Amino acid sequence: DAEITQSPRHKITETGRQVTLACHQTWNHNNMFWYRQDLGHGLRLIHYSYGVQDTNKGEVSDGYSVSRSNTEDLPLTLESAASSQTSVYFCASSEGLGETQYFGPGTRLLVL
Amino acid sequence: SQQGEEDPQALSIQEGENATMNCSYKTSINNLQWYRQNSGRGLVHLILIRSNEREKHSGRLRVTLDTSKKSSSLLITASRAADTASYFCATDPSGNTPLVFGKGTRLSVIA
Repeated sequence: DAEITQSPRHKITETGRQVTLACHQTWNHNNMFWYRQDLGHGLRLIHYSYGVQDTNKGEVSDGYSVSRSNTEDLPLTLESAASSQTSVYFCASSEGLGETQYFGPGTRLLVL
Repeated sequence: SQQGEEDPQALSIQEGENATMNCSYKTSINNLQWYRQNSGRGLVHLILIRSNEREKHSGRLRVTLDTSKKSSSLLITASRAADTASYFCATDPSGNTPLVFGKGTRLSVIA
């Protein structure tokens, strides 16, 4: 069965360190998305990609970057982790831009 | 900025009762979707209703869409304890932009 996975599931890091969160999907979807979820804010879009070599900034992109070198993966990098980036991060993919999104299980990140 | 706003923010009902959640949005949309999120898990798609549809059913779920009022409602009939979760609406704005999610309604179904 097709799926979308995220790793690690839990991560503790220190302020200033670079962190990369992995997202891998086997749906063969062109569209992939990264969100963060915080209490009181719901889901906020960080970055998204419509296909290989395409990346776009979302609502809260500062301090984050992504790259899309193949269809299956969209890694999210925190260039220099800050305590404000402590959150739960979700990756999602979809076949069509406005169509159903399939979510990964999430990565819980704690920045100390 | 978020387009969809769910109401109420939290809802607590007894098992067997119906639960109704509402979503309001601001701009024209191609479709509106509802998702469920169990504690500690990713979101799961429930139902999609397109802008030219007024009502859609899936099992115990009934979704309505009123584009003139820019609002949608999700009805869960005969609720069960397993329906306890957060429910999010997401709108597909007209144009080449991603879905926009609301902040969600936390539903608690008490056995």
